[in-house]
Amino acid sequence: SQTIHQWPVTLVQPVGSPLSLECTVEGTSNPNLYWYRQAAGRGLQLLFYSVGIGQISSEVPQNLSASRPQDRQFILSSKKLLLSDSGFYLCAWTGYSGNTIYFGEGSWLTVV
Amino acid sequence: KNEVEQSPQNLTAQEGEFITINCSYSVGISALHWLQQHPGGGIVSLFMLSSGKKKHGRLIATINIQEKHSSLHITASHPRDSAVYICAAPTQGGSEKLVFGKGTKLTVNP
Repeated sequence: SQTIHQWPVTLVQPVGSPLSLECTVEGTSNPNLYWYRQAAGRGLQLLFYSVGIGQISSEVPQNLSASRPQDRQFILSSKKLLLSDSGFYLCAWTGYSGNTIYFGEGSWLTVV
Repeated sequence: KNEVEQSPQNLTAQEGEFITINCSYSVGISALHWLQQHPGGGIVSLFMLSSGKKKHGRLIATINIQEKHSSLHITASHPRDSAVYICAAPTQGGSEKLVFGKGTKLTVNP
């Protein structure tokens, strides 16, 4: 069966420090991968979208970047965190036909 | 770009009540998703539907493509149903990227 994992689950980082959130998918190949952010009191916002290795689409200009070094690995990064980067980050995947979407456990980021 | 609106924003019910959450969208779509977000943040997919009605246990989802409207119903609600319910639709026609409603926070009291 397919599973998706992301880590770390919770982290507190100082302003200006780097960030790396990792997401891996098991049990499927060539998934469409997504990074979403959910700020307090707001809906999910799509940050990055990937249809294959090395193929990244950025949805909004921001302080973050994403990479897909392997088919089932998706990484969210920042070189220098801002206070506004705080939020709940979710990795997700869908199959080729855009069927049911599966989410990772989420990562709570607090920038202090 | 699709716009997704949910109502109500917050909903409080007594155990056993019938619950309805509404979702409307602005652009014609191939399928709509209903998701459940637990208090800890985890999100699970409840339904993906493109027409008519789907039922899973006490949950029923309906969609009216012509009216660009979908509803999620919960029969015989239970405190464990307390969660945020989110609908999501493709950003445009056949896109696989989703735009999400802001969610409906449901609280079911015993």
